[in-house]
Amino acid sequence: LAKTTQPISMDSYEGQEVNITCSHNNIATNDYITWYQQFPSQGPRFIIQGYKTKVTNEVASLFIPADRKSSTLSLPRVSLSDTAVYYCLVGSGGYNKLIFGAGTRLAVHP
Amino acid sequence: EADIYQTPRYLVIGTGKKITLECSQTMGHDKMYWYQQDPGMELHLIHYSYGVNSTEKGDLSSESTVSRIRTEHFPLTLESARPSHTSQYLCASSEYPSSSSYNSPLHFGNGTRLTVT
Repeated sequence: LAKTTQPISMDSYEGQEVNITCSHNNIATNDYITWYQQFPSQGPRFIIQGYKTKVTNEVASLFIPADRKSSTLSLPRVSLSDTAVYYCLVGSGGYNKLIFGAGTRLAVHP
Repeated sequence: EADIYQTPRYLVIGTGKKITLECSQTMGHDKMYWYQQDPGMELHLIHYSYGVNSTEKGDLSSESTVSRIRTEHFPLTLESARPSHTSQYLCASSEYPSSSSYNSPLHFGNGTRLTVT
């Protein structure tokens, strides 16, 4: 199972771009990289998933270098409502093989 | 938006009681999961199911049991609640991925916060 390492916490201000990097040195060939967001007292919510290069949706962008040993979730122009915990997961073949780590606590300040 | 419901939202119960946490989804997803999460801590997979009559234990040992008699319903039962069971329990579902490597997004309920006194 690919283990991930993320910063425990990050601070930002409204309107800034936030980049959260996740390390996954032992990622396997078939593994995908998935990011989730969790607000207090709620279940996690899917943000974005990718395999290589760059993926963008209406919420975020995901950058994956050629060696795929890390990935960066980019949140453009964050607002206070983006304050949450962000989880990076790596794996394939279903969520019974994935591990939610401790995640990154993002605090957005006015 | 995902339609997955958990009841009750909050539950305070005494030691030794039997409880069942309900989870239902209306998306027709075959795969369902139960996670346990203590405040400020990571999620731990305790049970999952591939479909009707399929149940498996997850990575974290749990004294709870689950059943999957209907596709949309995946209840979790504690036969005798203890204070160590105090936690948040999150139910999730996903559809089967179109390939063996892709992970279909998990859809989570809002959880049941259980307190055993």
